[in-house]
Amino acid sequence: DAKTTQPPSMDCAEGRAANLPCNHSTISGNEYVYWYRQIHSQGPQYIIHGLKNNETNEMASLIITEDRKSSTLILPHATLRDTAVYYCIVRVAINDYKLSFGAGTTVTVRA
Amino acid sequence: NAGVTQTPKFQVLKTGQSMTLQCAQDMNHEYMSWYRQDPGMGLRLIHYSVGAGITDQGEVPNGYNVSRSTTEDFPLRLLSAAPSQTSVYFCASRPGGGYTEAFFGQGTRLTVV
Repeated sequence: DAKTTQPPSMDCAEGRAANLPCNHSTISGNEYVYWYRQIHSQGPQYIIHGLKNNETNEMASLIITEDRKSSTLILPHATLRDTAVYYCIVRVAINDYKLSFGAGTTVTVRA
Repeated sequence: NAGVTQTPKFQVLKTGQSMTLQCAQDMNHEYMSWYRQDPGMGLRLIHYSVGAGITDQGEVPNGYNVSRSTTEDFPLRLLSAAPSQTSVYFCASRPGGGYTEAFFGQGTRLTVV
């Protein structure tokens, strides 16, 4: 599986967009980018995933660069409840019963 | 709809004791897995199952056993608890096939003294 690199922490102002980067320079053609988050030691929560096109759902947007070596998760209007650890995971979709979590990015949303 | 239910939420064991962490899901998911999370760390895969009767090892399987006799249940057994097994344990499930999200339980916080 491709390795991912995320900044260890970042702050964001409430109401502003939060842009979370992830580097996955060794990603292969059949690997998807997944994002999960973990709020205060609760179980991780799925956010979004994509292959090469940009994706959007009710929680967030995922922007993947054309060469697929990096991506950005965008929380459009961050709230205090978005304070969490965010994990970027690269995995072949069919076999992703084995999610590999790294240390993630600790996002703190400030009022 | 309960989702993924883990019991107990908290447990303290003495070194050498055995116990079973329970995990049940009511979504008819094929895939289930167990992770542990040590303080300040990401999750590490212990064991997983791709269907009833089928289990396999993850990254850190030593000291743990699993079985999957039904689609709904995936218990994790600690054979002889050690302080190194102090951790938070998460169970997850997802439908079979690709492109699907995993659903996690709320965790079991285990302390081995």
